[in-house]
Amino acid sequence: AQKVTQAQTEISVVEKEDVTLDCVYETRDTTYYLFWYKQPPSGELVFLIRRNSFDEQNEISGRYSWNFQKSTSSFNFTITASQVVDSAVYFCALSEERNRDDKIIFGKGTRLHILP
Amino acid sequence: AAGVIQSPRHLIKEKRETATLKCYPIPRHDTVYWYQQGPGQDPQFLISFYEKMQSDKGSIPDRFSAQQFSDYHSELNMSSLELGDSALYFCASSVGGATFGSGTRLTVV
Repeated sequence: AQKVTQAQTEISVVEKEDVTLDCVYETRDTTYYLFWYKQPPSGELVFLIRRNSFDEQNEISGRYSWNFQKSTSSFNFTITASQVVDSAVYFCALSEERNRDDKIIFGKGTRLHILP
Repeated sequence: AAGVIQSPRHLIKEKRETATLKCYPIPRHDTVYWYQQGPGQDPQFLISFYEKMQSDKGSIPDRFSAQQFSDYHSELNMSSLELGDSALYFCASSVGGATFGSGTRLTVV
């Protein structure tokens, strides 16, 4: 069965600090996708990244970076030099490529507060 | 680029009424997913369709039904609404990765 665990329920940091959001996943499949979504107070789910299970390269996009480690089943997300606009709920998610059933399973989310 | 379109954005209904939510997937995306997100919760999978056939079912109440039409748009029908049905409802379309619509915020009063 697939499962995503985000152990950090809520994090508060002061603006300009770096912050890392943890994500640990469970799956029996060898082919799967990992995602991060941002949900600001307005409610929409903003896609941040999708990574397939065969690509363990870390990725950097501006102030955002992701560290994928299959050995520890983790897909952590770091925001560098945080800004108040980064305040949101962040969801890590997983989908397994199994026939056509590639629905996304979400973690419980981490609520991030960036304090001015 | 075209995104997933959901309508309406907001909906207020009374208990025991019926609601219909609509989803227009990204063109040429053949799979549609519906999710329900209660207050303070993570989105929960309800149901999905591939090529107009139901492909998977999650924790969807029997009072809810959905279908995908020939133009690939999908509708989620919710009857006998309860206060607990108040939530954000997301539609997503996928070709190897899900793109979500902006959601419909349903409030049952």
